[in-house]
Order: sequence, then C-alpha cells, then structure tokens
Amino acid sequence: QKEVEQDPGPLSVPEGAIVSLNCTYSNSAFQYFMWYRQYSRKGPELLMYTYSSGNKEDGRFTAQVDKSSKYISLFIRDSQPSDSATYLCAMSLNTGGFKTIFGAGTRLFVKA
Amino acid sequence: GAGVSQSPSNKVTEKGKDVELRCDPISGHTALYWYRQSLGQGLEFLIYFQGNSAPDKSGLPSDRFSAERTGGSVSTLTIQRTQQEDSAVYLCASSTAPSVNEQFFGPGTRLTVL
Repeated sequence: QKEVEQDPGPLSVPEGAIVSLNCTYSNSAFQYFMWYRQYSRKGPELLMYTYSSGNKEDGRFTAQVDKSSKYISLFIRDSQPSDSATYLCAMSLNTGGFKTIFGAGTRLFVKA
Repeated sequence: GAGVSQSPSNKVTEKGKDVELRCDPISGHTALYWYRQSLGQGLEFLIYFQGNSAPDKSGLPSDRFSAERTGGSVSTLTIQRTQQEDSAVYLCASSTAPSVNEQFFGPGTRLTVL
C-alpha cells in the first residue's frame, strides 16, 4: 500500500462546475498537507498549504484536512479552462530534515 | 527573479551510458531536492540536501544513482549505466529551509533511455 493514494483520473468537468479532488494517506504522523498544480511540461507549483486539521480558503480554492479519517480534499469553485492541469497532493512529517511524499496526481480537464 | 533552472531540458541516451543532470536552485535557498516523475506514478523522492548536513539519500533507487551539491548551490544528479526503466522526468526543487514547506520546482529534465 502506498503512503499516499490519489486517483489519477482523468477528471473532466464543464466550465463553472465545482471540482473535488481527494487523497487518502496511511501515516498518521503527517502534519503538513499541500496541494501542487502542474501544467503540462512544467514543474509543480504550490497552490495551498495547511498545517494539521481544518479548512483553508484562497479565492476559488478550499483545502480541507480530516486527520481522523486520513483524508484531504481540494475544492475548486467556478472552475475555469485555465484550471486544467494535474493536481498533486503532498504531505510531510513534522521532523527536522523532512521528506515530502507526493500523490500520483489527478489530471483535471475543464471544458469551455 | 530567476527560478530553479535545470539542464538539459531533454536528454536521449543509449542503454548503458552515463548521464549527468544539472540543477541551479534559487539563490539563497539552502534546501535542494531531486525527484523522479514517471507517467502515472507521481513524484518519487530521490535525495535531499540541506546546507552542509549529510544528504538524505534514502530515495535513491540503486547505487547507479548519485548526486552532489557543490558549494551549497548547484547540484548534479548522475545516473551510471542507464537502463530503460530510468526513463522519466527528473525534477529538482529548492526551498528556503526544511521547515518551510513550499518547494520551488524547476521545469525538469526529460530523460529517455533507448
């Protein structure tokens, strides 16, 4: 079993839809949870970052962490064609020299 | 300002040859990471450098892989006796410190082993 599981998709939605992207994990010691967005042939870029449990909102994006269920989500409201990309969840331990574990990424297509 | 740069952007090599991949991190970033990204596999951690500390090499898949970071800046990932399964995109990232979780990624080097 992988430490972080993420459905690779692809996920195709119409413009304006609400998108829900999810990851599950097995290591309860993870404390930091991130979502990265990766456009084709580019490196990933950090989209959202959450420490421990709870919600965090930034514009059209909301990140949610449920540590009791070992489940994290990213919601995109009013999705746009420019949101079409691969979304990778990532998480790391609360240690001095840390290692970030990434999910496989979900490919999202938003159709105009 | 300049971001993380990697060279070459594409590399095609024959099985059994050695390759060197270069990463120039953002100036002042003390932490540097190498990842491998294969289709549908996500990012696989390879190695992590932080300042002058001994690197965390726990992700290197075999002794054919090695990396160094000279002067706390530029890093080189070397793959010896390349195999077809080494074909992937190799990504480098840097960050200001290990406690800061935003990693800034370069565009990657796409390696194809024939």
